[in-house]
Order: sequence, then structure tokens, then C-alpha cells
Amino acid sequence: DAKTTQPPSMDCAEGRAANLPCNHSTISGNEYVYWYRQIHSQGPQYIIHGLKNNETNEMASLIITEDRKSSTLILPHATLRDTAVYYCIVDMDSNYQLIWGAGTKLIIKP
Amino acid sequence: NAGVTQTPKFRVLKTGQSMTLLCAQDMNHEYMYWYRQDPGMGLRLIHYSVGEGTTAKGEVPDGYNVSRLKKQNFLLGLESAAPSQTSVYFCASSLRVSGIYGYTFGSGTRLTVV
Repeated sequence: DAKTTQPPSMDCAEGRAANLPCNHSTISGNEYVYWYRQIHSQGPQYIIHGLKNNETNEMASLIITEDRKSSTLILPHATLRDTAVYYCIVDMDSNYQLIWGAGTKLIIKP
Repeated sequence: NAGVTQTPKFRVLKTGQSMTLLCAQDMNHEYMYWYRQDPGMGLRLIHYSVGEGTTAKGEVPDGYNVSRLKKQNFLLGLESAAPSQTSVYFCASSLRVSGIYGYTFGSGTRLTVV
């Protein structure tokens, strides 16, 4: 089973910040949190990852709580092209596996 | 730089037929993976490889075989296709497993078994 919990769907207005939550209460100390997205059945696309500190890149920001039990992906100015399924994943070192849940379907509305 | 290339992109098979899906990466990545994705579901790992000449089973390996004869190629074989193998298949590669290295995915192969 996936080690993460995400809401099945969310809406966001175009131009606003999209905040996607993820719970990973059983995360271990050396496990990273990855975010990917999948646009209309294309191959998943890497967005960002983090361990303890907040991270930011040209696509998004990742906020990880101090206890590391949850995180939030922030798309600062959502566009229609950001409509996709967003996956929050906790990597599992020992099995070389990314455990994928069902993700959050984010719909950006004009 | 093509990244990860999958061939074919679409295929229809009859039950019992065999086929091979090819994945090629030009990033000199050590690790390669084959996933399947059923409608409305996340990806499930079929097989993976941590280097040339090595393969290992993932979460759903039954009915599939793989080979990694060259570092840049990872082949997925279906010896006797079944309707339950109708799915979208994604190949991925990564420089190293886990840690700070992300995974690069191909565009997928849509397989229908009738």
C-alpha cells in the first residue's frame, strides 16, 4: 500500500496558488518525499523532492512539516496547463520502488 | 537528448500472442524500471534493473519477463498475452536509486489484449 494519503481531487482558479496536501505519517528518517505529475496519461513528470527542508525550483515549492508527517506542494501561479494528476511519493530505498497512490486530480479553472 | 524512448506506442494483441516492448535511454542511467498503469490507478512496478545484465521482480511480475543486455536498453516481454495485461506500460530510468535522484519516464505504450 502507498505510504501517502492525498485528496482525490481539487480545483483551483487560474492565476491563484494551488496548494496540494499530502500525509505521510509513517515516513522514516531517510526517506525523501517526491512529487510527480501526470498530464493526460503521458509519462509522469518529476516536479520536486525534499527530505527535511523546504525546497523551491522553477516549477513549484515543497513545504515539509517539522515532524515530516505531511507536506504541501505549492504551484504559485497555476495555469490551465497545470491540470494533471499529482502524485506524492515516499521513496523506499531497500526495494528500489516508488510506491504510487492514486494521486490528486488538480483541475485549474479559467 | 531524447531521454527515455519507448516503442511501440500502441499495440493490439490477441490472447496468447507474444510481444516485446523496448525501452531505450540515452542518459547513461544505471537503473531502469517497467511499470504498468491501469485506468484511474497509480503506477505499479513490474520489473526493474540496477545495472547491465541484472534484473529483479517488482510488485506485479507474473506474466512478464525482462532483459537488460545493454545498459541503455530494457526489454519487457509478454510470452502469452492475456486480457488482464491490457494496460499502459511506462518505462523509467534513474541515475541512482532513491536519494536525491529523480526518475525520467517514457511516454508510454498502450497495449490492448483482445
